[in-house]
Amino acid sequence: VQQVQSGAGVKKPGDSVKVSCKASGYTFTDYNIQWVRQAPGQGLEWMGIIWPRSGNTKYARKFQGRVSVTMDTSTSTVYMELSSLRSEDTAVYYCAREPLTSYYFDYWGQGTLVTVSS
Amino acid sequence: EIVLTQSPGTLCLSPGERATLSCRASQSVDSSHLVWYQQKSGQAPRLLIYGASSRATGTPDRFSGSGSGTDFTLIISRVEPEDLAVYYCQQHDLPGYMFGQGTKLEIK
Repeated sequence: VQQVQSGAGVKKPGDSVKVSCKASGYTFTDYNIQWVRQAPGQGLEWMGIIWPRSGNTKYARKFQGRVSVTMDTSTSTVYMELSSLRSEDTAVYYCAREPLTSYYFDYWGQGTLVTVSS
Repeated sequence: EIVLTQSPGTLCLSPGERATLSCRASQSVDSSHLVWYQQKSGQAPRLLIYGASSRATGTPDRFSGSGSGTDFTLIISRVEPEDLAVYYCQQHDLPGYMFGQGTKLEIK
């Protein structure tokens, strides 16, 4: 089982960033994909979920209107796009796998550092 | 929205000592939705305990979870140097998922 994320990047305030998470080693549609971020030296913050079987999504209230999670089932890849970036969005962004209706995340990607700086 | 508060913020123990980490919820939580993760420096979090008390695959049996309602506990029966990490609890309710702020375990 692997969740391989795209590489680190630097963005300017106001930009958007799109982070990818490619799943392998399991049946893609048998697991939900979650997005969690961690600002430098801070704790974990849940951002949103996509249910691959339906394509439905749900986002944390804090990010609604600014985040979009999509997927490409043909490549078993999930994407998280965050818009209107500000310096406070500087963080490591993780995707994580959740067995259906289990409420825990059993495999995590390696993380993608997004730095927002002018 | 249910808020999780973890205590203590930092725990400093010697190898072989017992560690008790607390996770308190602002409202009652379905214990089947209470999870513990371990995060070592520079690494992604790792699933330790799910359903409040079930050890994940690969979790050593010195780790145990318990609790119900609003009070949950992670116990490390005999701390080892490799347990140096931050431990997070997590719960799920209607708005989504929430993490506690973490307890940092330091080894003397």
